[in-house]
Amino acid sequence: DTAVSQTPKYLVTQMGNDKSIKCEQNLGHDTMYWYKQDSKKFLKIMFSYNNKELIINETVPNRFSPKSPDKAHLNLHINSLELGDSAVYFCASSRPGATNEKLFFGSGTQLSVL
Amino acid sequence: SQKIEQNSEALNIQEGKTATLTCNYTNYSPAYLQWYRQDPGRGPVFLLLIRENEKEKRKERLKVTFDTTLKQSLFHITASQPADSATYLCALTPPGYNKLIFGAGTRLAVHP
Repeated sequence: DTAVSQTPKYLVTQMGNDKSIKCEQNLGHDTMYWYKQDSKKFLKIMFSYNNKELIINETVPNRFSPKSPDKAHLNLHINSLELGDSAVYFCASSRPGATNEKLFFGSGTQLSVL
Repeated sequence: SQKIEQNSEALNIQEGKTATLTCNYTNYSPAYLQWYRQDPGRGPVFLLLIRENEKEKRKERLKVTFDTTLKQSLFHITASQPADSATYLCALTPPGYNKLIFGAGTRLAVHP
C-alpha cells in the first residue's frame, strides 16, 4: 500500500483554468505539506497543516487554496492557472511535534500549464 | 535568509568507488540535518538524519558527517553501485522555524 498517494500523476491544462490535486496518507500522521519543485529542482514548501489546521502558508498566491477535510487528506486547489505554475507538486506527511521529523513524500503531480 | 548549497553539477563516479556529496549552509545553525534520495519521477525518500552533537552517522554503506563550525555536511556512499544513481538532497530546519528547507540536490551517476 502506498503511504502517501496523490492524484493525478500528470495534469496538463490551459491558462486560466481551475484544477485540483488530491493527497491522502495512510501513515496516521497528523501533519501534511505541499511542496513545489520547479525546473531548477528546488523543493519549496507552500503549505503545512497539522490536524486539519493551517500552520504554514509561505506567501503563496491566494489562487492556491489548500483544503484538509480530515488529517489524512490535504488537497490543493488552484484557480486561474498561470504559465508560471508549471512545476511538480509534492504532497508529504510527517509525525507532529519536533521539527526534526522526517517527511514521507508522494510521487508528485507534474502540472503543465499551456 | 537560510541558504543551502549543493553541487549543481552531476557527480560521475566508477562503480565500487566512494561518492562524496557536499551540503553547505549559511546564516543559521540548525540542530538537525537530513538527507534524502530522489529518483526521476518520484518523490524524495528519507535516508538519514544527523544531529548537531553527532559528528558522524552511518547506515549500511551510507555515512553522513556534520561540521557545525564549517556549516557543512558530507554524504558518503561507499562501494557505490549503479543502483545508487539518483539525486541526493540535503535539508534542514532553521532554529525557530517549523519547516524543512531543501537544497537543490546533487545528481550522482555511478557507472559500471
